[in-house]
Amino acid sequence: AQTVTQSQPEMSVQEAETVTLSCTYDTSESDYYLFWYKQPPSRQMILVIRQEAYKQQNATENRFSVNFQKAAKSFSLKISDSQLGDAAMYFCAYRVSQGAQKLVFGQGTRLTINP
Amino acid sequence: DAGVIQSPRHEVTEMGQEVTLRCKPISGHDYLFWYRQTMMRGLELLIYFNNNVPIDDSGMPEDRFSAKMPNASFSTLKIQPSEPRDSAVYFCASSLQLYNQPQHFGDGTRLSIL
Repeated sequence: AQTVTQSQPEMSVQEAETVTLSCTYDTSESDYYLFWYKQPPSRQMILVIRQEAYKQQNATENRFSVNFQKAAKSFSLKISDSQLGDAAMYFCAYRVSQGAQKLVFGQGTRLTINP
Repeated sequence: DAGVIQSPRHEVTEMGQEVTLRCKPISGHDYLFWYRQTMMRGLELLIYFNNNVPIDDSGMPEDRFSAKMPNASFSTLKIQPSEPRDSAVYFCASSLQLYNQPQHFGDGTRLSIL
């Protein structure tokens, strides 16, 4: 069974600094998708960024980028120029590309931004 | 564009009562998912539908839980009878059938069973 592990329950960073959140996963599939979702105190689940496993290039969305290491099964999220609005729970998630559509989530990392 | 709409946003009820959670997916989306979020178990999939047909209900915890999707624009998750351990946030999400499309989540229903 696929599993997703986020080893950092909590992280904090100074405003305007850069922070990296870690995620590892376990799968025997070769084609799949990886996602980072943000959950602020308002409880919404907001898609931050996604990566297709067959693409070697790391995905980037403005201040958010990933470091995707397929062989190591690692998928970290880097937030540059951290802003107070980035404070939230961040969840890493996995989905196979074909067949079952369900997302498998990690346990989450709570990110605090210090002003 | 309207996102996934869930109702109610909060529900507080007594043990033993029937609870019905509702979801309206994004128009045109082919998949609908129900997730549950708890501190102990995190986010876990309960059931998902494709074109209104249940595909995988292996995450439904027990017979007290049931889900229906009578049409493309509406789904319900029902708990009968409810128990305190059912207290959680329940999310509905929808997505297109295209292979690389992400799931879009509703704002969730916070359910408290007393």
